[in-house]
Parts: sequence; structure tokens; C-alpha cells
Amino acid sequence: NAGVTQTPKFRILKIGQSMTLQCAQDMNHNYMYWYRQDPGMGLKLIYYSVGAGITDKGEVPNGYNVSRSTTEDFPLRLELAAPSQTSVYFCASSYSGTAYEQYFGPGTRLTVT
Amino acid sequence: AQRVTQPEKLLSVFKGAPVELKCNYSYSGSPELFWYVQYSRQRLQLLLRHISRESIKGFTADLNKGETSFHLKKPFAQEEDSAMYYCALGRSGGGADGLTFGKGTHLIIQP
Repeated sequence: NAGVTQTPKFRILKIGQSMTLQCAQDMNHNYMYWYRQDPGMGLKLIYYSVGAGITDKGEVPNGYNVSRSTTEDFPLRLELAAPSQTSVYFCASSYSGTAYEQYFGPGTRLTVT
Repeated sequence: AQRVTQPEKLLSVFKGAPVELKCNYSYSGSPELFWYVQYSRQRLQLLLRHISRESIKGFTADLNKGETSFHLKKPFAQEEDSAMYYCALGRSGGGADGLTFGKGTHLIIQP
């Protein structure tokens, strides 16, 4: 099992560009999450999903979009990148709700200049 | 709003000494609390959760609702314990709206 995979590992974007961060899991988990972590800060929830076709906003959703067409994949879309979106992005999945262990991907380090 | 506070950004102790990483939370309901750890060049992973009341790698954590704390303790630190430790809070009732994380404590165990 690969667990949770994320691509790319690193990316540099220019202001105004768009990109999609990919996340996939092979554990058949229904619940998936996107977090961002700014330097010296804790992880903050961007979006989450409880199953294919169902997504909802987290604490910091502005500037992002998500979709969940399959159980395995949960891509995060950045439209019109801004310097404030420079961060490390983590995808996670869990078998069920918050009380269950979350399995994290390795992260994507994004710089917007 | 829920909040998690880890007051120590950095904690350095000698091998064999006791370790205590502090975590305080703010939440009006009954919390689900976790400690996650990130070792160097590894991904974030669960260390332990309050509901299981178990000891993992010699670490324990007790939920104190009166003091709204969930401190992580180990009686004798080992060099392999060096890592970033994050306290995290989830809503009770099995909700799916993710975890609220503290800023983390960088634990360094000196030989």
C-alpha cells in the first residue's frame, strides 16, 4: 500500500497562475482532508470530503476549490495564485470521522512569487 | 471556536531525562484529542489519542478536562524521540470537519 500520495513535491508559481495539487489514497477511506501549514504554524483545514461527490469548506477555503469524483482522489485547485498561498499543503485520509486516525501524505511545498 | 495551544516552540532535554510537552485546548463540547508526530524526513503520523488511553513508545497523555489540558509525557527520553510534536483537537460525535492543530513543539533530545 502506498497510503496517501501527493504530487508534486515542490512547485513554484507566479502570481495569477493556477495549478492543481493531486492527492490519492489506496486505503478505501471515505474521508479526505486538505490542510495547509504556514511556517511556524499549525495545520489549518482548507477543505474536506466525506465521500465521492461530497465536499465542504474548512477553516481557510478562500482561493481554493476541490472536487471528489472518486473515493481515491481528492485534488485541490488553486485559482489565481497569490503570495499568501505560499505554504506546505498536506492531504490526509481517514476511515471515518474526526475520532479516527488520519493518514497524511508527504506534503507539497508551494511558493508563489 | 476551538483552539489548541502548545506554549513551547522548542524543548531540549537530555537523554534519560523526563519529558513533558504541554497542550491546552479550548472547546465548548467534549473533545477528541490526539498527539501527532513528525520525525525528520517522515510524514506526520498519529502517536496516540486520548480515547485509547494507551502508551505508545513510552509516551502517555492524560486528558484533564478541568484544566483543559492534554500534556504528553515520557519518563525517560531517548534520542529517537527527537521530532516535531503536534497536539490536535477534533469535535466529539464523530464529525468529519477535520482537526484543529497546535503550532507544534520541536523536541530535541541531547545525548
